[in-house]
Amino acid sequence: GQNIDQPTEMTATEGAIVQINCTYQTSGFNGLFWYQQHAGEAPTFLSYNVLDGLEEKGRFSSFLSRSKGYSYLLLKELQMKDSASYLCASGGYKLIFGTGTRLQVFP
Amino acid sequence: DSGVTQTPKHLITATGQRVTLRCSPRSGDLSVYWYQQSLDQGLQFLIQYYNGEERAKGNILERFSAQQFPDLHSELNLSSLELGDSALYFCASSPMEGQENTEAFFGQGTRLTVV
Repeated sequence: GQNIDQPTEMTATEGAIVQINCTYQTSGFNGLFWYQQHAGEAPTFLSYNVLDGLEEKGRFSSFLSRSKGYSYLLLKELQMKDSASYLCASGGYKLIFGTGTRLQVFP
Repeated sequence: DSGVTQTPKHLITATGQRVTLRCSPRSGDLSVYWYQQSLDQGLQFLIQYYNGEERAKGNILERFSAQQFPDLHSELNLSSLELGDSALYFCASSPMEGQENTEAFFGQGTRLTVV
């Protein structure tokens, strides 16, 4: 079976740092993806981790621990436009998504 | 623009009817994925095709079916529609059969409203 858990909602202040956690239990694991989705729009790719460790990409970083079935997305220097849902997804044939974390950034 | 095209963008239909949603993948992508997203819900995986063949199936209802054609476009058929089928339906494409090291690119979705 496949199960992906993320917090439902988070809030943060403009300019701050926020960490969104994701735990997963999947068969046929083939990497962990993070997507961003603004309301009513298509998800867009943010990052991909297949090996343990931290991947940094500008203001966004993603971490993976395969032994713990755990990943997080780190967003730095938050901007108002970062208010969106962040979806964790387990790679493989099915690309299974978690329910997403709705992040609200306040001034 | 992701390069994935979905039509129509909006669809309103009555209960009991049948509709067809269409997806054209990015040029060169062989895999097509279909997802359903109900209001304030996550993306539910429905089905995946690779180069015309079904590769993986999620919680797709028997009233729903899909296919991928030789030109690689895909269609999702929804029949005997119920109010609960109202949702955003997304198509995504990727070049690989699985999700090895490549992200999937999503279309803008078809918003289906069943009345």
